[in-house]
Amino acid sequence: DGGITQSPKYLFRKEGQNVTLSCEQNLNHDAMYWYRQDPGQGLRLIYYSQIVNDFQKGDIAEGYSVSREKKESFPLTVTSAQKNPTAFYLCASRRWGSYEQYFGPGTRLTVT
Amino acid sequence: AQKITQTQPGMFVQEKEAVTLDCTYDTSDPSYGLFWYKQPSSGEMIFLIYQGSYDQQNATEGRYSLNFQKARKSANLVISASQLGDSAMYFCAMREGDTAGNKLTFGGGTRVLVKP
Repeated sequence: DGGITQSPKYLFRKEGQNVTLSCEQNLNHDAMYWYRQDPGQGLRLIYYSQIVNDFQKGDIAEGYSVSREKKESFPLTVTSAQKNPTAFYLCASRRWGSYEQYFGPGTRLTVT
Repeated sequence: AQKITQTQPGMFVQEKEAVTLDCTYDTSDPSYGLFWYKQPSSGEMIFLIYQGSYDQQNATEGRYSLNFQKARKSANLVISASQLGDSAMYFCAMREGDTAGNKLTFGGGTRVLVKP
């Protein structure tokens, strides 16, 4: 089955530690996106990538970093510089020439 | 200014009835598109329907239809014959322009609870 996987579903970290969230897709989509969702709010764009080895900042990139070494993979690192990292993180992908973004199941990150 | 506004934080609907979820948007770009996504309690975002600014007909997908009123800058979602499984958060989102990665801007969402 084609789809987007994010692991793990729940992640707990201590303050001051970097943490990397995984996002893998086997849809052969070109573009991939990372969004953050805080309780009771909509999604906000962190980073996006349209092709391998290229990515751009979204609206709230500070304290985050990404890489796109393979078409299928777009990991997000939440660094210790992110002031409020506790949130629900969603990864999405989009086929070239199409507008719809398809989302993974999300990772809920808790930092204490 | 908010680019996407969803004024209804929550609403109840009786099973088998229709419900309309409001969405207004703000953009100066002539090329844009509006999306609706459903987010059940599990958290995943499920794509429902899309309407492009140049599309002449209102989009429909099964029980979902998009009431697109360009002059009023509104893109309301209509769910017909509501089912218990329609209980979820619903988000309106917009893409602007045909470049810059087709980024999406989301509204704050509307929670729908379908009553049996």
